[in-house]
Amino acid sequence: DTAVSQTPKYLVTQMGNDKSIKCEQNLGHDTMYWYKQDSKKFLKIMFSYNNKELIINETVPNRFSPKSPDKAHLNLHINSLELGDSAVYFCASSHPGLAGVGGELFFGEGSRLTVL
Amino acid sequence: KNQVEQSPQSLIILEGKNCTLQCNYTVSPFSNLRWYKQDTGRGPVSLTIMTFSENTKSNGRYTATLDADTKQSSLHITASQLSDSASYICVVSHDYKLSFGAGTTVTVRA
Repeated sequence: DTAVSQTPKYLVTQMGNDKSIKCEQNLGHDTMYWYKQDSKKFLKIMFSYNNKELIINETVPNRFSPKSPDKAHLNLHINSLELGDSAVYFCASSHPGLAGVGGELFFGEGSRLTVL
Repeated sequence: KNQVEQSPQSLIILEGKNCTLQCNYTVSPFSNLRWYKQDTGRGPVSLTIMTFSENTKSNGRYTATLDADTKQSSLHITASQLSDSASYICVVSHDYKLSFGAGTTVTVRA
């Protein structure tokens, strides 16, 4: 059983295009996240949703728009892709409660985005 | 400057040997510290969690230590196996936030 699944795993696209990454978790967690991992393997929080409500929105360009239709899904849409957006994007969920107060993060396998 | 510093950045060890990874942090107020293992092409997976009152915690061949006074943690891998080749990331919870280290890449060679 896949706990946190995200699609697609690989995404290659041209600059200026719009793309989406989907994420679903079947763990029953209330909180979901998007992280960006750059080439130096550094993980950086982008967004966090708790029960469909946005609770963390780091300084991310507004070309990035998360959407949470329900607490088991958190999708990421990126408009007007730029070269610097190339990275691995990880979806995660946490239990119990917020990761910032000790909850364990459960990560998806990652989506490698390459912008040409 | 990152508030969670890990060292070394990378290391290579022979199968069966031991190694120790370091994590120093400056964030406060401290809530807890987790070590995550990230295999190549996969998402990170939690290995251990250390709270303020804990000094040592083991998970199989992985042993984490915490010195909350000096704000240092270590992860010791005993009798390394090829499957231990991965990045190990130190994550500190503080003030309702998480701060991540850049990770240590461990390569175990036969």
